[in-house]
Amino acid sequence: KNEVEQSPQNLTAQEGEFITINCSYSVGISALHWLQQHPGGGIVSLFMLSSGKKKHGRLIATINIQEKHSSLHITASHPRDSAVYICAVTVGGADGLTFGKGTHLIIQP
Amino acid sequence: DAGVIQSPRHEVTEMGQEVTLRCKPISGHNSLFWYRQTMMRGLELLIYFNNNVPIDDSGMPEDRFSAKMPNASFSTLKIQPSEPRDSAVYFCASSFLWTEAFFGQGTRLTVV
Repeated sequence: KNEVEQSPQNLTAQEGEFITINCSYSVGISALHWLQQHPGGGIVSLFMLSSGKKKHGRLIATINIQEKHSSLHITASHPRDSAVYICAVTVGGADGLTFGKGTHLIIQP
Repeated sequence: DAGVIQSPRHEVTEMGQEVTLRCKPISGHNSLFWYRQTMMRGLELLIYFNNNVPIDDSGMPEDRFSAKMPNASFSTLKIQPSEPRDSAVYFCASSFLWTEAFFGQGTRLTVV
């Protein structure tokens, strides 16, 4: 079974700061997902990646397959980025996700 | 498309009662997943279907839990009898082949 570890568990930062959330996993994967969960509870997929780097707006996700590690970066953070960010992996192509515990991010104005 | 639709959004029931959660996946998606989220254990996969066929139900906690997908546009997760420890948020998600998963808004279940 794949173990997915995230760090930090909690992060409070000031508006405008550069944010990094880390994720490591124990077993080879087919894909890694970054998800966002807002206080209302809904879960949104931010990225799905299996190699390299992806960028969407102020969000950047990278993955190093050899080191079994991924990072999610937020540039110019804003209070609306406050949410729980969850890393998840799949081993087989269409398998279900195995989740990390999440990182609770608060961006203060 | 309206996205993945779950019903009900909230359910409060008494211990011992049967609970049925419903999910309508995004049209055209061929994989459907049921997840459970609790404070203690976070998000966990319960069961998933590919092309309406259950592939892996190893995450289903007990025989009290069952899931069906009678057609490509509907799935149910049933708990019978329900217990207080089943209280959680249950998410349904769907995807097409190996692409990203889309989540429903979840059903918050409280068993008293």
